[in-house]
Amino acid sequence: QSVLTQPPSVSAAPGQKVTISCSGSSSNIGNNYVSWYQQLPGTAPKLLIYDNNKRPSGIPDRFSGSKSGTSATLGITGLQTGDEADYYCGTWDSSLSTVVFGGGTKLTVL
Amino acid sequence: EVQLLESGGGLVQPGGSLRLSCAASGFTFSSYAMSWVRQAPGKGLEWVSAISISGGSTYYADSVRGRFTISRDNSMNTLYLQMNSLRAEDTAVYYCAKNLGAKILYFDYWGQGTLVTVSS
Repeated sequence: QSVLTQPPSVSAAPGQKVTISCSGSSSNIGNNYVSWYQQLPGTAPKLLIYDNNKRPSGIPDRFSGSKSGTSATLGITGLQTGDEADYYCGTWDSSLSTVVFGGGTKLTVL
Repeated sequence: EVQLLESGGGLVQPGGSLRLSCAASGFTFSSYAMSWVRQAPGKGLEWVSAISISGGSTYYADSVRGRFTISRDNSMNTLYLQMNSLRAEDTAVYYCAKNLGAKILYFDYWGQGTLVTVSS
């Protein structure tokens, strides 16, 4: 059971927009920054978003992040078949004193 | 180009030990915190351990504290994970990850992973 809660799966058509939620508590998301990772099938994860809404160099602006209270959201616009992957949120948990991840969300681009 | 190359994985019996290594290149290794993150087969990501730039501070998940030891050799650009008293639930792909600066919260580069299988 993950400390952060994500929907197991989401889907949308090519070209559309999708959002993936990540719910936590005051000990994690509520008082710490959030990051998001993309894991394409058979590959290592890739950092998409850090500090809630910042994109590393090379990440297209189709990917965006936001945070409100104890929840965070990853948004992906202009969906492409190449975006099919598992997406994970992550943050620091002040009570556990560890990095925690969500259980992951599988994105299907129909 | 940043490269992280893990090695040392394999099959080990419950109660056994393994030492993972991660050879880093393409960046100034001694300027970044480093971490290990694992992923059990078909499961999500689990943070395992992190080490500060100098190696003076180490951090562990509760599930491995007291059994695993993280270390680094900045002269050799290498990160290590000594794993003792291994359990079946430690079976996973272990990724070496470079942290974004000194913060251990973000992982901006990952290795390809090395599989550790704990089974009799």
